[in-house]
Amino acid sequence: SQQGEEDPQALSIQEGENATMNCSYKTSINNLQWYRQNSGRGLVHLILIRSNEREKHSGRLRVTLDTSKKSSSLLITASRAADTASYFCATVEQWGGGNKLTFGTGTQLKVEL
Amino acid sequence: EPEVTQTPSHQVTQMGQEVILRCVPISNHLYFYWYRQILGQKVEFLVSFYNNEISEKSEIFDDQFSVERPDGSNFTLKIRSTKLEDSAMYFCASSPALRTRGQTQYFGPGTRLLVL
Repeated sequence: SQQGEEDPQALSIQEGENATMNCSYKTSINNLQWYRQNSGRGLVHLILIRSNEREKHSGRLRVTLDTSKKSSSLLITASRAADTASYFCATVEQWGGGNKLTFGTGTQLKVEL
Repeated sequence: EPEVTQTPSHQVTQMGQEVILRCVPISNHLYFYWYRQILGQKVEFLVSFYNNEISEKSEIFDDQFSVERPDGSNFTLKIRSTKLEDSAMYFCASSPALRTRGQTQYFGPGTRLLVL
């Protein structure tokens, strides 16, 4: 599998339900980030988790990171129709010149009323 | 809240023509990036720029591509002779100093480039 593969590729749930998306990666990372993209629009940063962290929360978002399994999950609780978007994980390999982001294939989330 | 802006939002060009995509990163950010996303595919890293020079580039970023920060605010991506396969959404991003909140990259809304 390639660096940053999300699972599932598509997810359809009812409003109010929780949505869980998973991401696997292959190389050592400095941190892992989750981004959201509404159809045809730009990328919005959601949350960053460092390699020495195991779990992080931000509002209705919960991210976990398991570096031994090279995997991360994004949980959106109490989903809303406005959460409908594509969600990408991106790994960061830091070097002196900046942080190159390597994006996954994304999970398309559809939240229905 | 400050945002990264990009112009134009859409650009249609003929194969072989030169295009310049423009970005205004967030002021006081130090690192600048270009990514692209071909329709239905992953977002791919193209190039990073720091201290007025390219710090890393991908295999995609060949001699047809160049970047420039002509003044203190703009950051441009030039494609010298466009090909059909250059059709994609191009995203600019910036991040502040690494030791602060620098690990987060802030993306612009993108420029959709269509090469005919």
